[in-house]
Amino acid sequence: NAGVTQTPKFRILKIGQSMTLQCTQDMNHNYMYWYRQDPGMGLKLIYYSVGAGITDKGEVPNGYNVSRSTTEDFPLRLELAAPSQTSVYFCASSYDAGGEAFFGQGTRLTVV
Amino acid sequence: RKEVEQDPGPFNVPEGATVAFNCTYSNSASQSFFWYRQDCRKEPKLLMSVYSSGNEDGRFTAQLNRASQYISLLIRDSKLSDSATYLCVVRESGGSNYKLTFGKGTLLTVNP
Repeated sequence: NAGVTQTPKFRILKIGQSMTLQCTQDMNHNYMYWYRQDPGMGLKLIYYSVGAGITDKGEVPNGYNVSRSTTEDFPLRLELAAPSQTSVYFCASSYDAGGEAFFGQGTRLTVV
Repeated sequence: RKEVEQDPGPFNVPEGATVAFNCTYSNSASQSFFWYRQDCRKEPKLLMSVYSSGNEDGRFTAQLNRASQYISLLIRDSKLSDSATYLCVVRESGGSNYKLTFGKGTLLTVNP
């Protein structure tokens, strides 16, 4: 019963490097989300998608890009990593906009 | 004014105690309300939805006051396993109905 799977779980990046955080879900959910969580702060929405081929910006999209070519996958791309992007990243999915959001286990990213 | 504000905590209570968490939200058009639980270094998980009439799930009771834009969570007979961060979550309506807004969370530690 996989649910939402994120990889990698941990990553250290150097300033200016790029990487892709992978997220896949096996629940056939239409909605998928990327959040970041900084210490002592609430989760902030980076990007979201309401279905394959459709993505839109959340509250803090700068420095990130996403794509949604399939229902299952919603990768998050970091271009030119900066120390301000050090955070824990959570991918989530829900069947619809109002339903329960299921979260992946998170990716802890450090940019040095 | 922050969109979702919670008691800052932390709360330290003995086993068996009753503890209440409070949350206020700024958008009067908000449509759905939830409490999520997040264990240390883990992903958030839905604890319970909050309905207008109030709802109970075992030792947990959630209340909503739309007029005051206020949500509460009551935990009775606290267990050690209740130790976690409790997140108040609000879903807006209309054009932003994808968006779940998270409070910063309130940390609860239940002591033996």
